[in-house]
Amino acid sequence: DAKTTQPNSMESNEEEPVHLPCNHSTISGTDYIHWYRQLPSQGPEYVIHGLTSNVNNRMASLAIAEDRKSSTLILHRATLRDAAVYYCILLNTGANSKLTFGKGITLSVRP
Amino acid sequence: NAGVTQTPKFRVLKTGQSMTLLCAQDMNHEYMYWYRQDPGMGLRLIHYSVGEGTTAKGEVPDGYNVSRLKKQNFLLGLESAAPSQTSVYFCASSKGAYYGYTFGSGTRLTVV
Repeated sequence: DAKTTQPNSMESNEEEPVHLPCNHSTISGTDYIHWYRQLPSQGPEYVIHGLTSNVNNRMASLAIAEDRKSSTLILHRATLRDAAVYYCILLNTGANSKLTFGKGITLSVRP
Repeated sequence: NAGVTQTPKFRVLKTGQSMTLLCAQDMNHEYMYWYRQDPGMGLRLIHYSVGEGTTAKGEVPDGYNVSRLKKQNFLLGLESAAPSQTSVYFCASSKGAYYGYTFGSGTRLTVV
């Protein structure tokens, strides 16, 4: 399975945009880029996913590089509630594909 | 919609006891998964199912069994609990890679 690389941690200020990077240089053409987050003492929560084009939803935006070897999760205005571990995961379209979690990036938000 | 519901939320077992964790989803999802998460670590896949009546092993299947007799339910069994199985267990379901996964709120299991 193709792997992703994320920084261990990042800090941001409340109400400012946050850009969380993810490298996936060995991505295959059938791998979707998924992002999940896990707030303290909660289960993971789906954030966004995409294949080639940039994606937007009510939670965040996903910017995908043209060569698909990297992507960036964008939180437009960070709130204290956005402090969490964010996981960038590649998911293949094969029948037996499944999410494989790495360590993720821990986002801290300063008031 | 309830989404993914896990039962129970907390449980304490003695070494050697058995128990079953229930995961129920009401979204008609084909795919279901059981993960465990140990302190300070990411989630690790135990077993998964790609449809009713099917199961497959994940990264850490030893000591666990699963069954998917009904599409909406995925059961995780511990036949003889060990302290190493103390963990938080999460269930998830999905339509597939084209879609996001929905996770339950977890079962915190302690084996003493």
